[in-house]
Amino acid sequence: GQQLNQSPQSMFIQEGEDVSMNCTSSSIFNTWLWYKQDPGEGPVLLIALYKAGELTSNGRLTAQFGITRKDSFLNISASIPSDVGIYFCAGHLLARETSGSRLTFGEGTQLTVNP
Amino acid sequence: NAGVTQTPKFQVLKTGQSMTLQCAQDMNHNSMYWYRQDPGMGLRLIYYSASEGTTDKGEVPNGYNVSRLNKREFSLRLESAAPSQTSVYFCASRLRAEGGYTFGSGTRLTVV
Repeated sequence: GQQLNQSPQSMFIQEGEDVSMNCTSSSIFNTWLWYKQDPGEGPVLLIALYKAGELTSNGRLTAQFGITRKDSFLNISASIPSDVGIYFCAGHLLARETSGSRLTFGEGTQLTVNP
Repeated sequence: NAGVTQTPKFQVLKTGQSMTLQCAQDMNHNSMYWYRQDPGMGLRLIYYSASEGTTDKGEVPNGYNVSRLNKREFSLRLESAAPSQTSVYFCASRLRAEGGYTFGSGTRLTVV
């Protein structure tokens, strides 16, 4: 079953507001990834984090790999209508990495931005 | 670049019918994956293929079979469709263990 707890499940914000969402787990992760899914499309990778404590930005998006390796957050600054979609966190569990290792996904955060 | 291509995009099946979902990637990726997405449940792994010639079960494999036809193609088969298999199915691929996945645009399957 799911090993990542993603919150909040949904958010309704006004254009221009900042957004924050996070993922936590009882397990330790090697890698944290954040994806965005637009309606009717597959998820697209936004940011990848590979080291504990790492803070990475991609335009208005900022994500951090928690020091404990058990959590990560994603911030979106100055939201715009095209930020609407579902945001997923995902991670590789701490284990010997092989080409067959799999990502574990959170349940997603549905973001709605009102103009 | 096409990336990951899934066909068909939409399909309606009657209970008990069979069908194969096709997936192809043109990025020379080693690993390929099949997920299903249901409301409130995120993405759940059905089967994956670490490399050409190998396949393994994921979290929810019952009712499905897969074939890694070659490095490019990874198909998902429903032998006897059930209403519980109504879902959106995503194929994904990855080059290396540390990399993220590239997803296709999905197949929306309804079983009536």
